Amino acid sequence: KAGVTQTPRYLIKTRGQQVTLSCSPISGHRSVSWYQQTPGQGLQFLFEYFSETQRNKGNFPGRFSGRQFSNSRSEMNVSTLELGDSALYLCASSFGQGSIEQFFGPGTRLTVL
Amino acid sequence: KNQVEQSPQSLIILEGKNCTLQCNYTVSPFSNLRWYKQDTGRGPVSLTIMTFSENTKSNGRYTATLDADTKQSSLHITASQLSDSASYICVVTWGLLTGGGNKLTFGTGTQLKVEL
Repeated sequence: KAGVTQTPRYLIKTRGQQVTLSCSPISGHRSVSWYQQTPGQGLQFLFEYFSETQRNKGNFPGRFSGRQFSNSRSEMNVSTLELGDSALYLCASSFGQGSIEQFFGPGTRLTVL
Repeated sequence: KNQVEQSPQSLIILEGKNCTLQCNYTVSPFSNLRWYKQDTGRGPVSLTIMTFSENTKSNGRYTATLDADTKQSSLHITASQLSDSASYICVVTWGLLTGGGNKLTFGTGTQLKVEL
């Protein structure tokens, strides 16, 4: 069974631009969660999607948004990028909403210049 | 405030030695606690998951314990190997499945380095 895939793996943007990251969950998994990881803050929860609906949300500004498609694939968008948005963005999939077992993808490394 | 604190922040041990990592949490209501291993540049990989009623769980050379009364967990690594060098992250899920849903709070991790 293929694991969680994220694209692109690396991305360089400049301040003010916007970016879209993609996540394909493990086949059969319907829940996708997004996390931001930085050296100073560690892993922080962004949001969780289940059946195309956002079910849970962390404490991030409205510049961070996401969506989930009918095939459970998910995208995350960050608008008006700031230097502090430079981070590793991780996606995790699980079978159901709030499932105990989550499987992480390799992440997308975003650098904002 | 709902927090998860890990100690030590970093640790260096010799190959073959054992070590224990600590995780203390204050979140409530508790749902489950997970330990993840994260190699540099990769996504976290689950090592163990424990619910309220579980005191200990093993995964090969990794053994996690949970004391729900004192809100403490530990991850014990036996006979360490060079490949154990990684960041170990404690994650606590809390809240209710209904309404606002589960919340997750991550510890900042313990960076372990195993040397020859």
